[in-house]
Amino acid sequence: DGGITQSPKYLFRKEGQNVTLSCEQNLNHDAMYWYRQDPGQGLRLIYYSQIVNDFQKGDIAEGYSVSREKKESFPLTVTSAQKNPTAFYLCASSIGRERQPQHFGDGTRLSIL
Amino acid sequence: AQTVTQSQPEMSVQEAETVTLSCTYDTSENNYYLFWYKQPPSRQMILVIRQEAYKQQNATENRFSVNFQKAAKSFSLKISDSQLGDTAMYFCAFMKQNFGNEKLTFGTGTRLTIIP
Repeated sequence: DGGITQSPKYLFRKEGQNVTLSCEQNLNHDAMYWYRQDPGQGLRLIYYSQIVNDFQKGDIAEGYSVSREKKESFPLTVTSAQKNPTAFYLCASSIGRERQPQHFGDGTRLSIL
Repeated sequence: AQTVTQSQPEMSVQEAETVTLSCTYDTSENNYYLFWYKQPPSRQMILVIRQEAYKQQNATENRFSVNFQKAAKSFSLKISDSQLGDTAMYFCAFMKQNFGNEKLTFGTGTRLTIIP
């Protein structure tokens, strides 16, 4: 079945440590997105990519980095510069044209040790 | 910049009743898309319904329908014959009609509880 796979489901980070969240899709979608979800704040866009080897900052990109070396993969690194990383992270993808809706993965919950 | 407002943080209704969730948005765009997403306790985001701004007819999907008022910038979701499985967070979202920039702007959500 086609879909979006995020791993791990739960992740813990120590102070000063970088961690990488994985997002893989087999939907052959061109566009991929990373969102952060905090209680009472809905979803906020971190980074998005419309095509391989290209990505743009979203509304809250500081302290995060991404890469898009393959169409099916869009990993997100939470760097030590992100001072409040505890949140639920959702990855999404879309065809990237015709304004098709985004499909979401099951999310990764990141916590600070 | 676009903003999406959901003014009802929580709602609850009895099973089989009808419930309406409100959403307003602010934009200077004339062409855009609006969505309702559902997030059950499993945390997966599921698309419920979608509306194109250029269409006057309100979208419907089985028990789910919208009341789209473009002039008022209002986009409410009506759930008819509510079921226990409808218990979830519901998010309203906005997307500009701008090729190559399909970013979604989300509201803060409404937590809906269906009471048996």
